[in-house]
Amino acid sequence: DAGITQSPRYKITETGRQVTLMCHQTWSHSYMFWYRQDLGHGLRLIYYSAAADITDKGEVPDGYVVSRSKTENFPLTLESATRSQTSVYFCASSETVRGELFFGEGSRLTVL
Amino acid sequence: LAKTTQPISMDSYEGQEVNITCSHNNIATNDYITWYQQFPSQGPRFIIQGYKTKVTNEVASLFIPADRKSSTLSLPRVSLSDTAVYYCLVGVTSGTYKYIFGTGTRLKVLA
Repeated sequence: DAGITQSPRYKITETGRQVTLMCHQTWSHSYMFWYRQDLGHGLRLIYYSAAADITDKGEVPDGYVVSRSKTENFPLTLESATRSQTSVYFCASSETVRGELFFGEGSRLTVL
Repeated sequence: LAKTTQPISMDSYEGQEVNITCSHNNIATNDYITWYQQFPSQGPRFIIQGYKTKVTNEVASLFIPADRKSSTLSLPRVSLSDTAVYYCLVGVTSGTYKYIFGTGTRLKVLA
């Protein structure tokens, strides 16, 4: 199916474990983004990417790692999960730099 | 980076027109203004985008004054299903694409 998909949709893990959230888009959009949204709050930018092999830090990058070896994939890794990383994570993509972002359905992560 | 400021919340009744204003005092020359709608447990969804003056589509209008330091999203005749959080986003085009969302406006439509 065309669009942007995230997996897993729900994940429960323990403090200290490594977790990878996957994001896949079928449009071949150049720009991709990871946001986190804590309960009752707005979206905060974690990392973003302009193309394969080009990534940069957003507002809250600490504790996260990203890679982008292929245009369509933009995985987000929590190297050692902490309780403060319990959140809903949204991936987004954009064809242009004008700001029309297309979001995935989100991945709800709980760190115990 | 252009920072945006919106009212935290608004209430309206069904059938009324709702106007949500966003302030972006340090918007750059090449920046576009984009509005998103977010329902609970869903990702934000694009509503409308503009650069200057007025833009209208099938769901909303966007008014941007000449100085572009603010913008107003207008939702005509809202219904209960328009209850959501609305975000104003100022796209950064001058060399970076670091899209920072503001706090958003929580719109509640009452019957």
